[in-house]
Amino acid sequence: DIQMTQSPSSVSASVGDRVTITCRASQGISGWLAWYQQKPGKAPKLLIYAASSLQSGVPSRFSGSGSGTDFTLTISSLQPEDFATYYCQQANSFPLTFGGGTKVEIK
Amino acid sequence: EVQLVESGGGLVKPGGSLRLSCAASGFTFSSYDFNWVRQAPGKGLEWVSSISTTTNYIYYADSVKGRFTISRDNAKNSLYLQMNNLRAEDTAVYYCARDRSSAWDFDYWGQGTLVTVSS
Repeated sequence: DIQMTQSPSSVSASVGDRVTITCRASQGISGWLAWYQQKPGKAPKLLIYAASSLQSGVPSRFSGSGSGTDFTLTISSLQPEDFATYYCQQANSFPLTFGGGTKVEIK
Repeated sequence: EVQLVESGGGLVKPGGSLRLSCAASGFTFSSYDFNWVRQAPGKGLEWVSSISTTTNYIYYADSVKGRFTISRDNAKNSLYLQMNNLRAEDTAVYYCARDRSSAWDFDYWGQGTLVTVSS
């Protein structure tokens, strides 16, 4: 199974900050990586697919990059509605696996 | 508007069974692969099972293999998860999630249904 390791597990940031979250796969997954945002009590929301493609309707301040084993999600200017938990997911092979999550908190 | 609505969750004793349903609307259900993803209270996301459009591909997490069965009825626009021999560790919110485009990532999710396994 492919293990997905996210870091950090939590980050405190202020509105307007640039935030970067990393995700590392235990083996190469090419570009088969997605990022999700989840707010408390809500279902996850797809932000990025295929490592760097922005899902329709997602603000352009979100971006993704990487290939192989190392990936990043960047929020260029944190907005109040961005405080949430973020998960990466590999879509390269079954079993599909998620990272442990990164909670973005208000500083 | 794409809508996925799960139902069937509840409280069940260890060893018991439940059948979850996911009713889809707002798109051509038969054209999409589907998935179940769960989240234990206070924990992260865990993929459970996937099914292709014509059921020729079905996959399960090892943690549920042999106990859970995924199925779909394209005529009824519905996805199902039959859960047998439930364990305490199956306690979670179960989400139905549409596959984006046979890419095995998930572009639409239901609101989730809570399954609690406890005596």
